[in-house]
Amino acid sequence: NAGVTQTPKFQVLKTGQSMTLQCAQDMNHEYMSWYRQDPGMGLRLIHYSVGAGITDQGEVPNGYNVSRLKKQNFLLGLESAAPSQTSVYFCASSSLGGARSEAFFGQGTRLTVV
Amino acid sequence: GNSVTQMEGPVTLSEEAFLTINCTYTATGYPSLFWYVQYPGEGLQLLLKATKADDKGSNKGFEATYRKETTSFHLEKGSVQVSDSAVYFCALIPNTNAGKSTFGDGTTLTVKP
Repeated sequence: NAGVTQTPKFQVLKTGQSMTLQCAQDMNHEYMSWYRQDPGMGLRLIHYSVGAGITDQGEVPNGYNVSRLKKQNFLLGLESAAPSQTSVYFCASSSLGGARSEAFFGQGTRLTVV
Repeated sequence: GNSVTQMEGPVTLSEEAFLTINCTYTATGYPSLFWYVQYPGEGLQLLLKATKADDKGSNKGFEATYRKETTSFHLEKGSVQVSDSAVYFCALIPNTNAGKSTFGDGTTLTVKP
């Protein structure tokens, strides 16, 4: 019963490096989202997707790109990492009609940019 | 835009005390409202939800009522336990764009024996 799986769980990057955070869900959900969690600031939506090939910006999209080629996978890319992107990143998925459904979250990826 | 404002923490209570965590929101239309809980080192888990005015969500002794007139969704529990120690998040999903949920800043609850 995997649910939402994020990889990696921890990552340290040097400023300017690039990386991709991976998210996979096995619940056949249409909606997938990426959030960042910073102390005292709750969760902020970075990008979201309403289906394969369809993505849109959230509250804090700058510095990030996303890709959803397959329904079950949602990738978050950092092209040139900055210390301000040090955070805990969460992926979530929900079924069609998110307003009537709950979001299932992954365990998070703790990213440190030095 | 939409926003969610939660009672500032941290909150520290003794076991069996009454808990209230306030949550108010700003949104157009009729959003769905949620409370999530996050235990240390884990992702968020749904605690309860309400999808229309006057609905009451409940789970594990926690309750919250969707009050449209006061735009509130306060979380309550009559008798907290040490195991309830966690961070609690209030959230809304607008009915106009189900992909764009908004979360509050979270309230840290510590329950002492």
